[in-house]
Amino acid sequence: EAGVAQSPRYKIIEKRQSVAFWCNPISGHATLYWYQQILGQGPKLLIQFQNNGVVDDSQLPKDRFSAERLKGVDSTLKIQPAKLEDSAVYLCASSPYRAGNEKLFFGSGTQLSVL
Amino acid sequence: SQQGEEDPQALSIQEGENATMNCSYKTSINNLQWYRQNSGRGLVHLILIRSNEREKHSGRLRVTLDTSKKSSSLLITASRAADTASYFCATDSGTYKYIFGTGTRLKVLA
Repeated sequence: EAGVAQSPRYKIIEKRQSVAFWCNPISGHATLYWYQQILGQGPKLLIQFQNNGVVDDSQLPKDRFSAERLKGVDSTLKIQPAKLEDSAVYLCASSPYRAGNEKLFFGSGTQLSVL
Repeated sequence: SQQGEEDPQALSIQEGENATMNCSYKTSINNLQWYRQNSGRGLVHLILIRSNEREKHSGRLRVTLDTSKKSSSLLITASRAADTASYFCATDSGTYKYIFGTGTRLKVLA
């Protein structure tokens, strides 16, 4: 089966610019997650979708970050305007949302550098 | 917020030795999972242990869970250079919301 696809792989922008990341989860996976991973740290959950609805976005800095999941499939994460501290790897993950199969499947991530 | 704290933060061992890393967490869980991350890549699921289980094995991996102490350990036996990676625990309280720990960086020397 195809894995979780993310693009772009790398992005370099200047502070105050905007940027968008795209994620295509594994087909049939109801739950989609965006994580932010700062160098040397563990992934931090930004937002969790169940189909096309938001389950948890308590850690999403809503003044600059936004995310959507159209039709319960693909998802985009946007940052506007970016700050230096947003430099990180943004990981997308999906899961079937089925008891007995709770593991997450991750994409390769987008490495963002804000200069 | 981080749910789990892993220790040690970094571990360096010789090939063939065993590697043990620990994870402590704060709140009640439904299950705990371990993931591996190679440099510059996404995370890969290794093993899941449920709150009513105490030990689980998968190949060279052995995971234990002590819910009374809110801790888990991952043992990798007969380590190989290819095991060099960062290892993270992730907890789920039953809502399919996975919170990751801070990670252990393992280096296996050939």
